[in-house]
Amino acid sequence: QQQVKQSPQSLIVQKGGISIINCAYENTAFDYFPWYQQFPGKGPALLIAIRPDVSEKKEGRFTISFNKSAKQFSLHIMDSQPGDSATYFCAASRPTGKLIFGQGTTLQVKP
Amino acid sequence: EPEVTQTPSHQVTQMGQEVILRCVPISNHLYFYWYRQILGQKVEFLVSFYNNEISEKSEIFDDQFSVERPDGSNFTLKIRSTKLEDSAMYFCASKGDPPSNQPQHFGDGTRLSIL
Repeated sequence: QQQVKQSPQSLIVQKGGISIINCAYENTAFDYFPWYQQFPGKGPALLIAIRPDVSEKKEGRFTISFNKSAKQFSLHIMDSQPGDSATYFCAASRPTGKLIFGQGTTLQVKP
Repeated sequence: EPEVTQTPSHQVTQMGQEVILRCVPISNHLYFYWYRQILGQKVEFLVSFYNNEISEKSEIFDDQFSVERPDGSNFTLKIRSTKLEDSAMYFCASKGDPPSNQPQHFGDGTRLSIL
């Protein structure tokens, strides 16, 4: 019930390509779904977040797509750049509550 | 931009010793969290803290762990008698009010190595 499942575990994309990372959750009480980006030696940094009353949110090259009925959400990185190479975590929570993180996806963008 | 700061960045401790990890959350935040990340694994929730008390804790957060907000700025995690399996990155996070509109902001973590 508390799990968030993330795939793929690793992803290699050419510069300029689209990176897609998928997550699925079980607990319908979750109402906040953020994506965090983590560089080596750093803490997770919020990238973009969505609430279940919205099906899509876009900020620059980053887009979250949300499918409430399927309990799935995904991150799309358009025009991927080498500087986007990092580990990406999806997460889910309730407003005051803990974040439940996915397993993480290591993204490598090749120049 | 305001940051969550954590000290030390790396702590090496002998098994069985007590360790205190320190965090300075963002100044106007009211909700505080500790997470840990074992090398190569996902970030796991340990404990949340609000209004000077624990609001939720995970199974990991057993009697060896405690948290405290000793003054208006610091938020600490104490491990009373460390074990080898406590070796991990420990992240502090904080969140503003109202909680439904605010993201959690993370520090850069303390790497805890138990020998």
